[in-house]
Amino acid sequence: KNQVEQSPQSLIILEGKNCTLQCNYTVSPFSNLRWYKQDTGRGPVSLTIMTFSENTKSNGRYTATLDADTKQSSLHITASQLSDSASYICVVSAPNNNDMRFGAGTRLTVKP
Amino acid sequence: DAGVIQSPRHEVTEMGQEVTLRCKPISGHDYLFWYRQTMMRGLELLIYFNNNVPIDDSGMPEDRFSAKMPNASFSTLKIQPSEPRDSAVYFCASSLRWSDTEAFFGQGTRLTVV
Repeated sequence: KNQVEQSPQSLIILEGKNCTLQCNYTVSPFSNLRWYKQDTGRGPVSLTIMTFSENTKSNGRYTATLDADTKQSSLHITASQLSDSASYICVVSAPNNNDMRFGAGTRLTVKP
Repeated sequence: DAGVIQSPRHEVTEMGQEVTLRCKPISGHDYLFWYRQTMMRGLELLIYFNNNVPIDDSGMPEDRFSAKMPNASFSTLKIQPSEPRDSAVYFCASSLRWSDTEAFFGQGTRLTVV
């Protein structure tokens, strides 16, 4: 069983709308959580990195939240643009053993 | 810096042939990672290096896979012999440190084994 579960698997929204992507994990202990954006045919690009002590981190219209108690993270996209159409991948790292666990990703499509 | 550079971008080879994927990390980065991405399994970490030394290769699927980093500016991932199930996109990434810094990915090599 994957230790990082993302939902929804796919999402279609209209341009200008907001959306929230979810990431639940069971990795423990936990070191940090990253959100990546991956455009079709390209490598992932880092959006945010959060350690267990951080609750929220923003990168422009992207805001990630983390609840280390419930082991949940979300990525909120505000005022979506067509260029936000991509896969968003959640990655959770454990300390010391350098173990990284990847979510399957959420495929977001923004339509005009 | 031009970012992480991978070559080739696309590779089509016949089953049984040797395949070598190449990566040039960002100058000054201490960590280099090799990933594989498929529709079925998503992104998987294969192996990573710290200061040119392989640290964890537990993600390498079989002995057919090997990776080297002869110097700080070059790494290879070799598959010998290749099999159709090795078809995937292989990414190389580098980062300044391990845990709290951004990893920069290359464009990937799309490998097709027929």
